[in-house]
Amino acid sequence: GAVVSQHPSRVICKSGTSVKIECRSLDFQATTMFWYRQFPKQSLMLMATSNEGSKATYEQGVEKDKFLINHASLTLSTLTVTSAHPEDSSFYICSARDASGVGYGYTFGSGTRLTVV
Amino acid sequence: AQTVTQSQPEMSVQEAETVTLSCTYDTSENNYYLFWYKQPPSRQMILVIRQEAYKQQNATENRVSVNFQKAAKSFSLKISDSQLGDTAMYFCAFYNQGGKLIFGQGTELSVKP
Repeated sequence: GAVVSQHPSRVICKSGTSVKIECRSLDFQATTMFWYRQFPKQSLMLMATSNEGSKATYEQGVEKDKFLINHASLTLSTLTVTSAHPEDSSFYICSARDASGVGYGYTFGSGTRLTVV
Repeated sequence: AQTVTQSQPEMSVQEAETVTLSCTYDTSENNYYLFWYKQPPSRQMILVIRQEAYKQQNATENRVSVNFQKAAKSFSLKISDSQLGDTAMYFCAFYNQGGKLIFGQGTELSVKP
């Protein structure tokens, strides 16, 4: 089945630094990837939609200058949290939709736990 | 805007018994997809079951089935013969024509031995 690899699984960074999270579709091409943020025991909040070869579309209230998204190929999207602060600490999850699939569900990465100290 | 509502924050069930998780949604679209996802303590999102809105027949997968009531905009999940490994957060999700998955608030299911 479709597999999405997300790295790193855990990262601790100092306040003010930037951290990059990678999301790769391993056995399918993903024209569209999604980035979510999840707080403990809460639902997934969609942050942005990443489209291969074009600019990401951000949800209302998400700072695009803080959360930089790049989708340079059909198998890789990256989320960079710039000038991270403790309030950015969270669980970040990516998902990908197979280029040929609609309604077949989305494949999710295993998530990244970001801690900003 | 579409919304997905899960009104049960927590549920518990004895092992081997049956449990039903509820989900309602709101949309003006006629063609769409609905999903149930499971998120165990590992936090990996796992697709449990999906339903196409144009299909009247309820989806079923092994011990899991749904009760899809399109007119009522209801999409409940039934887990039969509950097992300890079913303990997880369960999210109902709606796929809209804009291509986004919209999640409900989640239901934390505990299966007790």
